Order: sequence, then C-alpha cells, then structure tokens
Amino acid sequence: AQSVTQLGSHVSVSEGALVLLRCNYSSSVPPYLFWYVQYPNQGLQLLLKYTSAATLVKGINGFEAEFKKSETSFHLTKPSAHMSDAAEYFCVVSVKGGYNKLIFGAGTRLAVHP
Amino acid sequence: DTGVSQDPRHKITKRGQNVTFRCDPISEHNRLYWYRQTLGQGPEFLTYFQNEAQLEKSRLLSDRFSAERPKGSFSTLEIQRTEQGDSAMYLCASRRSDSTEQFFGPGTRLTVL
Repeated sequence: AQSVTQLGSHVSVSEGALVLLRCNYSSSVPPYLFWYVQYPNQGLQLLLKYTSAATLVKGINGFEAEFKKSETSFHLTKPSAHMSDAAEYFCVVSVKGGYNKLIFGAGTRLAVHP
Repeated sequence: DTGVSQDPRHKITKRGQNVTFRCDPISEHNRLYWYRQTLGQGPEFLTYFQNEAQLEKSRLLSDRFSAERPKGSFSTLEIQRTEQGDSAMYLCASRRSDSTEQFFGPGTRLTVL
C-alpha cells in the first residue's frame, strides 16, 4: 500500500526566505510523486512531478523537489518565498502500472509574512 | 483550452435527500476520477473511469453512492439519503491515457444540514 506523510501542517516563512515543505512516502513499488498546490477558493494545480527521470525536478513558480529513494523523501523547496506562494500544498503518490489514482498527504498550509 | 468543470459549485441539502453532481472533463481525456476532500484533509480517491467503464471503487464509496459515465464523456456522482458525514468538497479530475497528470475541477461543496 502507498501512503504519504507531510511533516508540519502549518509552515510560516518571511517573504524572501527559503521555503522547505517536507514529504515522506511509503510505496512497495517505484512510485510517481507529485506536488499539488491549492490556492484559496481555487482548484488543485500541479506544481511538479517525478516519474523516474531526473531526481531533481523543477516545477512552476520557482519550486523544485528532489526524489531521494534512500530516505523515501520528496521535499519541496523554493529559494525565496513570495507573498503569492501562500497556499495549501499537497504531496501526492501514485502507483505505476495501476490506474494512477492519487494518494494525498494531509497538506501543509504555507503562510508568507512581510 | 477549457478545463475540467463541475456543477453545481455549491449544494446545500437536508439529511435524507438525494443529490447529484456533474463533471465535464477536458474533451480529449478518457480517464476520469472522483475524489472527496473534507476540511483539513487531503483529497481521498472515490472512483475511476476509463472511458465509460468504472474500473475501481474505493471502500469509501458506500452503497448510497453511485457514479456513472454513460458515454465516456461527462460523469455524474449521486448520493442517496445524504448524511451529515457526507458534507465535503467533491472533486473531479481527468487525464489523457498517455499522461500521469490529472487536471482537477473546482469542486462541488456539499453541505448536509
């Protein structure tokens, strides 16, 4: 079975500071991994995805994530936070060869203050 | 490029009533998913369609829930005899067969009084 754990339900950073959102996954087979973002009153939007190519994945809006198999981690980072990054972020796993249903973590709410 | 659309966006109903939600996926997407998101949680998978065939259902989908995709295009999700515990955001997503990326609709927020 697959599962995702996001460490920290709330993260607060200053504008311009590093953003680090932590995610650990569990999967018995090589997974696909995603980060989705949900802005207030908007639908879920894909930030980036890992599908077994490069382990360092770049996404939209300056975000990136690194797949570390030995640590079963897929942490999301951004060098410099912007006020517009305030949102809910979900780490997601799905299984190759299945129906690609997505299994979401509980989410991390990112607050950015001036 | 029109995205995934869902209707209605909000639904308030009384306990025991039936409700039906509609999802229109992106036109060339033959894979369709329903998820449910409760407050403070990530979305949870409910069911999956490949064209008109419903190929997987979660154990979350009790016998009060039924989903269809009659012509492999739009999909409906019906909840019979609603309960307060059904209050949630119901999300629809679609993807192409050759892609892993699921595109989400804005969701239908259901409130059961």
